[in-house]
Parts: sequence; structure tokens; C-alpha cells
Amino acid sequence: EAGVAQSPRYKIIEKRQSVAFWCNPISGHATLYWYQQILGQGPKLLIQFQNNGVVDDSQLPKDRFSAERLKGVDSTLKIQPAKLEDSAVYLCASSLRPGERWAGANVLTFGAGSRLTVL
Amino acid sequence: AQKITQTQPGMFVQEKEAVTLDCTYDTSDPSYGLFWYKQPSSGEMIFLIYQGSYDQQNATEGRYSLNFQKARKSANLVISASQLGDSAMYFCAMREGRSNFGNEKLTFGTGTRLTIIP
Repeated sequence: EAGVAQSPRYKIIEKRQSVAFWCNPISGHATLYWYQQILGQGPKLLIQFQNNGVVDDSQLPKDRFSAERLKGVDSTLKIQPAKLEDSAVYLCASSLRPGERWAGANVLTFGAGSRLTVL
Repeated sequence: AQKITQTQPGMFVQEKEAVTLDCTYDTSDPSYGLFWYKQPSSGEMIFLIYQGSYDQQNATEGRYSLNFQKARKSANLVISASQLGDSAMYFCAMREGRSNFGNEKLTFGTGTRLTIIP
């Protein structure tokens, strides 16, 4: 089974420029998450989708960040305009489809992440 | 207040020794789940083990076990017979509320960097 695919792996931009990250979850996984991991910190949830609907975007800085998940499969996270403090790794994750649980939990499977450096 | 606290920023352990990584949590919800993830230098978060708040027994998975002390709100990860490949960042995470379809939002701690010494 293929894992969660993310691209690009690395991106360097100047502040006030825009950037987009792409995620393709594991086939059949209905729930998709975007996390932001700043250096030295644990991942922080930005947005959660179930199919193509938003479940939680309470921690998404909506003045500059946007995300969509068309047709309930791939997702794109965009930042426009970028700030220095947006430098981080952006992790995409999807959770196991209903009925496949590890000891009572839906386990999140993460991609390798997209590392953003804003200069 | 921090929901997940990992007080060990870094640990050095001799190969083949056991190691315990500390994690304490804070929640008022009686239903919750605790997860441990490993993050090697490649960046991908790898799921290791899970413990539900109502689980009576401590979770085990191969060389990993979770020392769950509910009254103390701690969920320490124990790695037995450590290997060089165990060198990585380790994150403790919590889900508050029942595990339902679409509700696996996790709050992560700041992590512990484990280095295994040959």
C-alpha cells in the first residue's frame, strides 16, 4: 500500500511570496490533516478534512493560509503572502478508513513533509 | 496549561539497554487516547503504539511498551533492547474524546531526541 505522498519536499521563498503544497493521501482514507511543525516543536494541527468538507480549521491563519480538498482525495495547502514565521515543515496525514482500527484508534499515517524556508 | 509535556529534550542511551521516555498529559475528558510517534531524520512520523483511556492493560508492540499510569496522568514509552536505528525524535500525542470516524485530532508534545550510542 502506497503511503501519503507530499510535494515539494523542500521550498525556499522570500517573504511576501506565495507557495503551495500538495498531498495525496492513502487510497480510501477519508480524513486528511495538515500539520505545521516548527523547528524544535511538535506538530500543530492546521486543518482537518473529512472527504472534501472541513471538520476543523480553527488554528488555520485564514488571512494567509488556505486549503482545499477537491473530490475528497488530493489536498493543497497554500500560503499567500508568506511570513518569516511560516518557516516550518508542513506534514500531511490521513487516518485509516473506518473499520480498520489499531486497538481502538484510527491511526494517523503521515507523509514525509514539505520543508518551507522563508527568507 | 500544556496538554502534553515531555520533559526530556534529549537522551543518550547505550545500545542494547532499555530506555524510558517520559510523557505526562492533562485533560478533563474521561475518554482520550495516547499515541507515540517516532520521527527519524527523514522527517516522516511513524506510529509506534496507542493506549486508550479505558484500556485495562498497558499496550505493547514488539520492543515498545507503554507504561500507562492513569492516576498520575503519565504515559511513558519504554523501548527494550535499544538499537542504533532507534535514534530519532519521539513524540507523545493525545486525542481528547472518543475515537470516532474523523475525530483523531492529535495534540503533540515537544518531543525527546533519543540517541543510541554504540
